[in-house]
Amino acid sequence: QVQLVQSGAEVKKPGASVKVSCKASGYTFTSYGINWVRQAPGQGLEWMGWISTYTGRTNYARNVQGRVTMTTDTSTGAAYMELRSLRSDDTAVYYCARDQVATTVMRADNAFDAWGQGTLVTVSS
Amino acid sequence: QSVLSQPPSASGTPGQRVTMSCSGSTSNIGSNYGYWYQRLPGTAPKLLIFRNSQRPSGVPDRVSASKSGTSASLAISGLRSEDEGDYYCASWDDSLSGWVFGGGTKLTVL
Repeated sequence: QVQLVQSGAEVKKPGASVKVSCKASGYTFTSYGINWVRQAPGQGLEWMGWISTYTGRTNYARNVQGRVTMTTDTSTGAAYMELRSLRSDDTAVYYCARDQVATTVMRADNAFDAWGQGTLVTVSS
Repeated sequence: QSVLSQPPSASGTPGQRVTMSCSGSTSNIGSNYGYWYQRLPGTAPKLLIFRNSQRPSGVPDRVSASKSGTSASLAISGLRSEDEGDYYCASWDDSLSGWVFGGGTKLTVL
């Protein structure tokens, strides 16, 4: 079955960087794009961006553009999200989520049909 | 805050029908599909509804959804205790060129 397993919780100081991994299994990794979504305490879900696991092309949300980098390792079937210059309001649970429809381009009608278990990133001095 | 607006809470008794609303604008729900995700306590979000009203396999037909203009709604009939959790609406936003979510509605089964 489709499974996305994320790396463990992280505690970082303001200004530092964090890199979260998402290991996929149960399907052909390069056929489906991966999204990253976060949820700060007491807040709603926030989409951070998308990466094509086939081409490596990315599409970042405006509010994190310039601080985020999404990459993949097709040899291991893993996706990564690195966030730099961390601030206290980056404290959140970070999720990876797979595109519902197999595609190599970002689509406005592609839901997120499988999610990782979430990674808590705490930014505190 | 969130681009899509959802009431913070909803409740019902077992067996009842409960509805949840999601209000957007012409740049998101008004011109794109609506989606719904369910997050039960201690779990990751799960896709509940895609393309306004389609259910993924495994989602029971007591769950339904619709879209009208710039709003979407989710209905759960035959309410059960295991339905208790948070429900989030989502849509693509043409102005932001990205996905937007609601703040979530916490469903309590009394």
